[in-house]
Amino acid sequence: DAKTTQPNSMESNEEEPVHLPCNHSTISGTDYIHWYRQLPSQGPEYVIHGLTSNVNNRMASLAIAEDRKSSTLILHRATLRDAAVYYCILRDAGIGYSGAGSYQLTFGKGTKLSVIP
Amino acid sequence: DGGITQSPKYLFRKEGQNVTLSCEQNLNHDAMYWYRQDPGQGLRLIYYSQIVNDFQKGDIAEGYSVSREKKESFPLTVTSAQKNPTAFYLCASIDWGVVNTEAFFGQGTRLTVV
Repeated sequence: DAKTTQPNSMESNEEEPVHLPCNHSTISGTDYIHWYRQLPSQGPEYVIHGLTSNVNNRMASLAIAEDRKSSTLILHRATLRDAAVYYCILRDAGIGYSGAGSYQLTFGKGTKLSVIP
Repeated sequence: DGGITQSPKYLFRKEGQNVTLSCEQNLNHDAMYWYRQDPGQGLRLIYYSQIVNDFQKGDIAEGYSVSREKKESFPLTVTSAQKNPTAFYLCASIDWGVVNTEAFFGQGTRLTVV
């Protein structure tokens, strides 16, 4: 399985931007980069995903390196409600295209984001 | 509303007893997953099922069992063989047929052995 590497923890001041990095040097051509976040005592929730181009939605932005071996989740203005564990995973799209590929969804330890008031 | 439901939210078990955690989804997803999460740790995959009547072991399957008799349901049994079952358990589902859709998670079951 393609794996991702993230820092264990990061801190940010409230209302400042946050850049959460993720390395995925063994990414394959059919892997989408997905980000999830997990608030305390809850299940993870989807944040954003991308394949090659940078993506924006109401929650965050995703910047993907040109070689796709790394990506960065950007929270433009951190709030206290953004304090969570953020997971970067690779989601194999090959199954949807051709029926071949890995059905595993592997989550690492993620990055614990603390937001300082 | 479509979603994925885990029950119960909290579960207490005596040592040596088997216990079954429920996971139900009405999203029409073929694939379902069980994860275990220990305090301060990430998600570790226990079992997953790509389709009805089929499932595979994940990274930490020992001491657990699953069944997938219906598309909507993927119950997890924590057996007495699991030496350290106290943890937070999460169920997820995904539609692999759509190339870029996300996984949906339940709200989790917190199991405590007393």
